[in-house]
Amino acid sequence: AQSVAQPEDQVNVAEGNPLTVKCTYSVSGNPYLFWYVQYPNRGLQFLLKYITGDNLVKGSYGFEAEFNKSQTSFHLKKPSALVSDSALYFCAVRDWAGYALNFGKGTSLLVTP
Amino acid sequence: DAGVIQSPRHEVTEMGQEVTLRCKPISGHDYLFWYRQTMMRGLELLIYFNNNVPIDDSGMPEDRFSAKMPNASFSTLKIQPSEPRDSAVYFCASKSRTYGSIYFGEGSWLTVV
Repeated sequence: AQSVAQPEDQVNVAEGNPLTVKCTYSVSGNPYLFWYVQYPNRGLQFLLKYITGDNLVKGSYGFEAEFNKSQTSFHLKKPSALVSDSALYFCAVRDWAGYALNFGKGTSLLVTP
Repeated sequence: DAGVIQSPRHEVTEMGQEVTLRCKPISGHDYLFWYRQTMMRGLELLIYFNNNVPIDDSGMPEDRFSAKMPNASFSTLKIQPSEPRDSAVYFCASKSRTYGSIYFGEGSWLTVV
């Protein structure tokens, strides 16, 4: 089954510092990977996706993600964190049929002033 | 674009009552998904439709749950009878093509007492 794992329940970072939210994947075939963000009491918002091409994918709000095939990872990064980045972040992978997404359990990011 | 619209946003109901959640997907999107989010289980795919036809309902917890999509602009998720363990946030989402990104509604927050 196509799956992703987010090893950290919570990530804490000071405002202005770089942040990384980790994700590893397990798939058969080519991975189609996604990152979503969920603010409190809101739905999930799409940040970025990797389908093919450059291993560094740029997305919304200054976020980027690095696809690493040898390490089966797709970590989310941002060079300088903002307090407003505090939210729940989900990594996801396309299911085998290519229609739905299977989500990780989420990582709570807390950016402190 | 109005986005995916869900109603009600919040519902509190008594155990044994029927609950109906509603969704209007983004116009032109031909895939519709119902997800459930809980603290314990994270985001779970319940069912999805393509061109109004249910494709995979293997995530529907039990016979108390049913979903319909009578036309391209409307879907319902019904729970009858409801139980306290059904308390969760139910998300509807849609996308426009096989490998496109999925767009989520704001969710329906269900509490069964």
